[in-house]
Amino acid sequence: DAGVTQSPTHLIKTRGQQVTLRCSPKSGHDTVSWYQQALGQGPQFIFQYYEEEERQRGNFPDRFSGHQFPNYSSELNVNALLLGDSALYLCASSLRTSGRAVHEQYFGPGTRLTVT
Amino acid sequence: AQKVTQAQTEISVVEKEDVTLDCVYETRDTTYYLFWYKQPPSGELVFLIRRNSFDEQNEISGRYSWNFQKSTSSFNFTITASQVVDSAVYFCALSDLYSSASKIIFGSGTRLSIRP
Repeated sequence: DAGVTQSPTHLIKTRGQQVTLRCSPKSGHDTVSWYQQALGQGPQFIFQYYEEEERQRGNFPDRFSGHQFPNYSSELNVNALLLGDSALYLCASSLRTSGRAVHEQYFGPGTRLTVT
Repeated sequence: AQKVTQAQTEISVVEKEDVTLDCVYETRDTTYYLFWYKQPPSGELVFLIRRNSFDEQNEISGRYSWNFQKSTSSFNFTITASQVVDSAVYFCALSDLYSSASKIIFGSGTRLSIRP
């Protein structure tokens, strides 16, 4: 049973560029959440996708956008990259039951993004 | 607003010592979940425990135990007879129990080093 997978593992981008990160949820899960973890800090919630819609969003600018596909996989896009966007980006998957969130989230290994 | 505070930034103990990681949380919600996650150097967040606000019973799992005290808004984590493999960053976290989405609020983490 595959867990949550993320690609790529590492990425180096230049300021002003755009980046797309990918996540495949754990088998049987239908909800994907994205978190940003800056060095030495705890993960910060970016947004969550369910039924291909953004359901909840954290305090992140519109430069951060996402998408969920019919197979439940998800992408995180960041435009106009800033140095401060350098971080570990974590994807977490979970399962909703009757529309209510199930709170046990399984995290992937993350994508380490470095902006130079 | 919801907030999780882990005042201990780093802890270092000798193997076989007991160690307690402190966690204090703030929330206006009367129903919520509390979590502990472990993040080894590989970066992946490993789920350790989830506790809902209705259940204040302490829990023990092998060498791990958790003390939930609603009166002091604390959810402390104790490792008994610590081992080198316990070295990691540990995060305490909080989320709504009945929210339509399951945003998790993380503390800043405690880096635990177990010396042989």
